[in-house]
Amino acid sequence: QKEVEQNSGPLSVPEGAIASLNCTYSDRGSQSFFWYRQYSGKSPELIMSIYSNGDKEDGRFTAQLNKASQYVSLLIRDSQPSDSATYLCAVNRDGATNKLIFGTGTLLAVQP
Amino acid sequence: DTGVSQDPRHKITKRGQNVTFRCDPISEHNRLYWYRQTLGQGPEFLTYFQNEAQLEKSRLLSDRFSAERPKGSFSTLEIQRTEQGDSAMYLCASSDWTSGLSSYNEQFFGPGTRLTVL
Repeated sequence: QKEVEQNSGPLSVPEGAIASLNCTYSDRGSQSFFWYRQYSGKSPELIMSIYSNGDKEDGRFTAQLNKASQYVSLLIRDSQPSDSATYLCAVNRDGATNKLIFGTGTLLAVQP
Repeated sequence: DTGVSQDPRHKITKRGQNVTFRCDPISEHNRLYWYRQTLGQGPEFLTYFQNEAQLEKSRLLSDRFSAERPKGSFSTLEIQRTEQGDSAMYLCASSDWTSGLSSYNEQFFGPGTRLTVL
């Protein structure tokens, strides 16, 4: 079992729709969770972080965390073609090193 | 620009040559991380520094790899005797680590150095 699992996609949504991206993790002791956006050929860009169960909203983005189910999700409202990218879920298992364990990413394609 | 910078952005080398990459973190950040990313995969942790101290190295980091952060500012990653399997994007990230809030430190990535070994 991979430590962080994501559906590789592609996830195709029409412009203006809600995109829902999911991530599961295996280490129940994981402490903090991050979503990065990565355009093709570019480096990851941090878009959301979440540490407590529940929802966290930032503009069109909402991160959801359920530690009991070991599940993190990212919702993108009013999806735009510019949101088309790979979304990487990253988990911090170790509060001392803070090294991140990444999933393989989900490719999102927003259709105009 | 006050973000993380990396140099060079691209490097093409022949198998067996040595290469060195540089990373300049966000100025007030005390932690610096190196990751490697291959096509279709997420970044994989290689090593990290707190100030000038290298505190952990991944098993991925063979003895051909060495990293330094001599004055706790910029860092270099050197690969000796490069192999074709070293071809990847090498990413540097920095964070402002605070004891007691360590779990919440966000890491910000530089643009990466894409290495191609022929």
